[in-house]
Amino acid sequence: SQQGEEDPQALSIQEGENATMNCSYKTSINNLQWYRQNSGRGLVHLILIRSNEREKHSGRLRVTLDTSKKSSSLLITASRAADTASYFCATALSQGGSEKLVFGKGTKLTVNP
Amino acid sequence: DAGVIQSPRHEVTEMGQEVTLRCKPISGHNSLFWYRQTMMRGLELLIYFNNNVPIDDSGMPEDRFSAKMPNASFSTLKIQPSEPRDSAVYFCASSPPGTRQETQYFGPGTRLLVL
Repeated sequence: SQQGEEDPQALSIQEGENATMNCSYKTSINNLQWYRQNSGRGLVHLILIRSNEREKHSGRLRVTLDTSKKSSSLLITASRAADTASYFCATALSQGGSEKLVFGKGTKLTVNP
Repeated sequence: DAGVIQSPRHEVTEMGQEVTLRCKPISGHNSLFWYRQTMMRGLELLIYFNNNVPIDDSGMPEDRFSAKMPNASFSTLKIQPSEPRDSAVYFCASSPPGTRQETQYFGPGTRLLVL
């Protein structure tokens, strides 16, 4: 079953605007990660936030985590056309004696020049 | 540094044929993951290895799928016989030791089309 679900499924903004994507999950997690996928490419790790953290920054990226609501958000500030991609949240679960990442279906972001 | 290498990048085959996908993880990484990505189901973990040993293969769809990792620098995912519903992009990813599968590094993927 899908652990993480991103919202919205698609987002279109103008260059310079901020983009906010949300992720909700169902079970307790060890950490939550955000990945980017450009069209026709593999996923690239952006940022990881641990379950005991509430906010994390990396360049123009800001991630928040609310474990009480089982949700996270990814904010991209001052967006650029090059930010056009799909963004996935992934939750790290301990399951059946192993630990693995479970990905959501992603938010497709389009930044118009 | 070379990233995760996958081959072939594209594969078109006919139903019933055997398909073998290959992956070379980043040198020094000890965990390797095979994922399948489709529009309908998103990104699904098929199997992952730690130190060349399969740890979790619960995502392997059925017996037609098999994966091996004979050494630290090579893994294969085989589909035999292939079916049209296997059409997808297959990704291999690796992660370094000590990270508990955090920060996975993805290859470019193999786009498989089964006719």
